[in-house]
Amino acid sequence: DTGVSQDPRHKITKRGQNVTFRCDPISEHNRLYWYRQTLGQGPEFLTYFQNEAQLEKSRLLSDRFSAERPKGSFSTLEIQRTEQGDSAMYLCASSQQGSGNTIYFGEGSWLTVV
Amino acid sequence: AQTVTQSQPEMSVQEAETVTLSCTYDTSESDYYLFWYKQPPSRQMILVIRQEAYKQQNATENRFSVNFQKAAKSFSLKISDSQLGDAAMYFCAYRISYGGATNKLIFGTGTLLAVQP
Repeated sequence: DTGVSQDPRHKITKRGQNVTFRCDPISEHNRLYWYRQTLGQGPEFLTYFQNEAQLEKSRLLSDRFSAERPKGSFSTLEIQRTEQGDSAMYLCASSQQGSGNTIYFGEGSWLTVV
Repeated sequence: AQTVTQSQPEMSVQEAETVTLSCTYDTSESDYYLFWYKQPPSRQMILVIRQEAYKQQNATENRFSVNFQKAAKSFSLKISDSQLGDAAMYFCAYRISYGGATNKLIFGTGTLLAVQP
């Protein structure tokens, strides 16, 4: 069990550029989540996959955001035409199916838009 | 809509002493889970303790215990014999428990705990 891994850990980008983050969940976990966390706040839910199906998206996920999990394993979160307000930490988490199962988090990917 | 409130932005405790972090939540559901997560600076969030709403007994994990008051919708975390390594941001979180639900966590805004040597 290598834990949830995210890449890159830090990204600085210019406003208007596109960025992509990758998440590799714990290998046997079929559920994967993306959260966004800004300074001084708790994580906010963005989207959720069960296997390759994206089952829920938050209103926070504007049309500039897209997430995929093509083979039900790793996931990518892409932000197009970045804005300064997108600066945040993007957290990935995973869990095994079952409402009682623990959700495990990665270390997050910090995005700074300048 | 479910909400989670942590009214203490910062707390401080002396090493070896006991501290209690507060959390209240709002939900119309009867069956759910409550969690405390710890997020050290620049480190990943880890689960400290969890409580199933249907259980009356308060959860305990070594030095960490909770006081779960379902009627009052209160879920406080007690850290006994505080250690320097306990210094972190602590988040209270809620999750619906019925099958087929998203299982998404709803977090409070966090309490930053400082441990003084």
